[in-house]
Amino acid sequence: GAVVSQHPSRVICKSGTSVKIECRSLDFQATTMFWYRQFPKKSLMLMATSNEGSKATYEQGVEKDKFLINHASLTLSTLTVTSAHPEDSSFYICSAGDQTGTPTNEKLFFGSGTQLSVL
Amino acid sequence: DAKTTQPTSMDCAEGRAANLPCNHSTISGNEYVYWYRQIHSQGPQYIIHGLKNNETNEMASLIITEDRKSSTLILPHATLRDTAVYYCIVRGWFGTASKLTFGTGTRLQVTL
Repeated sequence: GAVVSQHPSRVICKSGTSVKIECRSLDFQATTMFWYRQFPKKSLMLMATSNEGSKATYEQGVEKDKFLINHASLTLSTLTVTSAHPEDSSFYICSAGDQTGTPTNEKLFFGSGTQLSVL
Repeated sequence: DAKTTQPTSMDCAEGRAANLPCNHSTISGNEYVYWYRQIHSQGPQYIIHGLKNNETNEMASLIITEDRKSSTLILPHATLRDTAVYYCIVRGWFGTASKLTFGTGTRLQVTL
């Protein structure tokens, strides 16, 4: 099945630094990728939709200058948490669709997630 | 996307079938029912999806009622490794990739 690779799996950083998370679709091209964050024992919350070659679409309440998204190719999207603070500590997950063209077989696959801890 | 309602938690004995219900009474005609599960500290795993017909794959079966207002995910022989949070999601199809909106899910605990 389609694979979405996410790196790093875990990162610890100091407050004020920036952290970049990569999301790659390994065996398919993804025009669109999605970024989620998840707090302990909570559900996934969509942060933004990443579109190849254009600006990302952010969900209400998500700061676009805080969470920079770049989708420079059909297989790579990156999320950069700028000037990270302890409240940004969370589990970040990306997903991408294996868009084979019809709704009967299109699925979204998820990366393994990145646990960010800001000290 | 239509909202879904799932029980907060369920228990199932290992080897028995796990039947996870989901209500989606406001589903519209072009919306599919998707099921994902999330094992602790991992990304969600795709299980199955369907529009109106029942579906079966190597992981599970999906039973959708005729009026499409509810569905049931069936794990035929649950194992301890099936312990996870199961999400039922209704997703519209608009010809391009559309987002998945997660609800609170059902925490399934499989026991010996």
